[in-house]
Amino acid sequence: EVQLVESGGGLVQPGGSLKLSCAASGFTFSGSAMQWVRQASGKGLEWIGRIRSKANSYATAYPPSVKGRFTISRDDSKNTAYLQMNSLKTEDTAVYYCKAVDYDSSGYLTYDYWGQGTLVTVSS
Amino acid sequence: SYELTQPPSVSVSPGQTARITCSGDALPKQYASWYLQKPGQAPVLVIYKDSERPSGIPERFSGSSSGTTVTLTISGVQAEDEADYYCQSADSSGSYYVFGPGTKVTVL
Repeated sequence: EVQLVESGGGLVQPGGSLKLSCAASGFTFSGSAMQWVRQASGKGLEWIGRIRSKANSYATAYPPSVKGRFTISRDDSKNTAYLQMNSLKTEDTAVYYCKAVDYDSSGYLTYDYWGQGTLVTVSS
Repeated sequence: SYELTQPPSVSVSPGQTARITCSGDALPKQYASWYLQKPGQAPVLVIYKDSERPSGIPERFSGSSSGTTVTLTISGVQAEDEADYYCQSADSSGSYYVFGPGTKVTVL
């Protein structure tokens, strides 16, 4: 059974830091690209970054809204991806989802898996 | 920063066809994906690379692209299709992805 389980969410003060984890099982984690997506309560989805596989040099990408504050990493030996969030703002309050995606050599989707999310609340 | 545009809502009767548009300047260059999300659940991918359907997604879901607009079509809408639908694509250089603001599909 495929599972993506996020952890590490909670309450943090503005200006603080938090590191989320995404533990994967049931598929070949090392071959997947890992992404993070967040959703504020009652709002839409926001893509906040991705890290590719070792074969793709662990390349990372971030949108302008979080670039320089958020860092995505992975430990393939632990089947886990991470989201390090620094200089947190109240507007970073959201449910944070991790997702795993992979394509075959012809460019067709192999899988697109999502976790159930973890809540991060930035408040004083 | 790059933005995608979607209508806030679409209403459709059961058995009819729903069309949801997504507009963005980079769409002629970048593929789009579509996700549906039901309350309290994680999103589900229904279309990728503009028109490809993942395994397990019903054939009534289809996607198309024309210029700066991509369209998700749900043919023969069912009550279970009531959800929020989001398009996703990349900026013109492929540096990062964005989601559209979402479209709430209501089945009357």
